[in-house]
Amino acid sequence: QQQVKQSPQSLIVQKGGISIINCAYENTAFDYFPWYQQFPGKGPALLIAIRPDVSEKKEGRFTISFNKSAKQFSLHIMDSQPGDSATYFCAVSSGGYQKVTFGIGTKLQVIP
Amino acid sequence: NAGVMQNPRHLVRRRGQEARLRCSPMKGHSHVYWYRQLPEEGLKFMVYLQKENIIDESGMPKERFSAEFPKEGPSILRIQQVVRGDSAAYFCASSLSGTGGTGELFFGEGSRLTVL
Repeated sequence: QQQVKQSPQSLIVQKGGISIINCAYENTAFDYFPWYQQFPGKGPALLIAIRPDVSEKKEGRFTISFNKSAKQFSLHIMDSQPGDSATYFCAVSSGGYQKVTFGIGTKLQVIP
Repeated sequence: NAGVMQNPRHLVRRRGQEARLRCSPMKGHSHVYWYRQLPEEGLKFMVYLQKENIIDESGMPKERFSAEFPKEGPSILRIQQVVRGDSAAYFCASSLSGTGGTGELFFGEGSRLTVL
């Protein structure tokens, strides 16, 4: 049973465009929603995270939108750059302990 | 470099051999997590350990796989009698706290196991 469903699995965006990746979850006990970025041959690294008491969080060109009632959250990358080309994972965890469950990943390619 | 250190980075084993993957967490971190990454399957949780204790091994296959995090030394993920399906990238992550906190996991660069 997938605890978090991520889409699309791959995404091609022109430089300067907006990249949007979506995730949906079922368990309302989840209270921490991070996004991780992974470059080829490297381990994932935390990009940005949100807790359910806010609907949006912005850090630079990266924004998380969170819809608690729909149990969905999304990552928006504004002004996408070729250096953003990577695999992005949404994830969920609950406050009990930090077992983080990841989505399947989205391979983003930003073309010049 | 005070990051999560994994070794070996690449490991080749023949079917039936044993694979041992090591992970040294970030300085000051006492919580370690192992994940397996297969192409097109994302990151799958395997096990969560604290020093000398296995907290959650719900993602670990029941046979051939084991993990430990001794009082001294790195965490070890051990795969006995490897099969071709064990070929994957194995990532270790550490965190400062196992509960609450920021929830941030710090990942190593992974160990890539190839079973011939």
